[in-house]
Amino acid sequence: TQLLEQSPQFLSIQEGENLTVYCNSSSVFSSLQWYRQEPGEGPVLLVTVVTGGEVKKLKRLTFQFGDARKDSSLHITAAQPGDTGLYLCAGLVYSNYKLTFGKGTLLTVNP
Amino acid sequence: DSGVTQTPKHLITATGQRVTLRCSPRSGDLSVYWYQQSLDQGLQFLIQYYNGEERAKGNILERFSAQQFPDLHSELNLSSLELGDSALYFCASSGQSNTGELFFGEGSRLTVL
Repeated sequence: TQLLEQSPQFLSIQEGENLTVYCNSSSVFSSLQWYRQEPGEGPVLLVTVVTGGEVKKLKRLTFQFGDARKDSSLHITAAQPGDTGLYLCAGLVYSNYKLTFGKGTLLTVNP
Repeated sequence: DSGVTQTPKHLITATGQRVTLRCSPRSGDLSVYWYQQSLDQGLQFLIQYYNGEERAKGNILERFSAQQFPDLHSELNLSSLELGDSALYFCASSGQSNTGELFFGEGSRLTVL
């Protein structure tokens, strides 16, 4: 069973601060996705990382896939209230095409 | 707008009852997935269909069943409902990408009283 542990579970920060959230597993994933879910909405895909060590940037968000493809991080620079939401990581194993979600990090950015 | 449509958005019913949730995938997507989301369990995979055939099964209870129709829409049937079935139920669809990205609907919030 592939498990994805996300930390921290909850994070409350002030506007303008930087933050990093983590997604860790003992399993190797073929690819890893990050989603953001706002209250009352479904998760929305932010990015997919495929190669070990890969770094992708999406405006103020920086995503990194670990060299061993077992972990990932999401760094947000100068957080804004609009970044508030539940951040979910999901790992895909090609052999069985199974996508496993972590429980998420609930981020609140206070104005 | 993800292109995935779910109905109803909200549903309140009593224990022991049966409900049907409906999902229309993005145009052109053949795969449909159903997930249950609760505060303590997170997003739990229930079942996947591909072009009308069941492809994978997750933590789906025997009281729950699903199907995908020839027009690719899908229905999730929940029967003998219990209080613990109260949750958000999401449908997602995916295309031909080999990295498995999902496009989620807005969900159906089920409350069992």
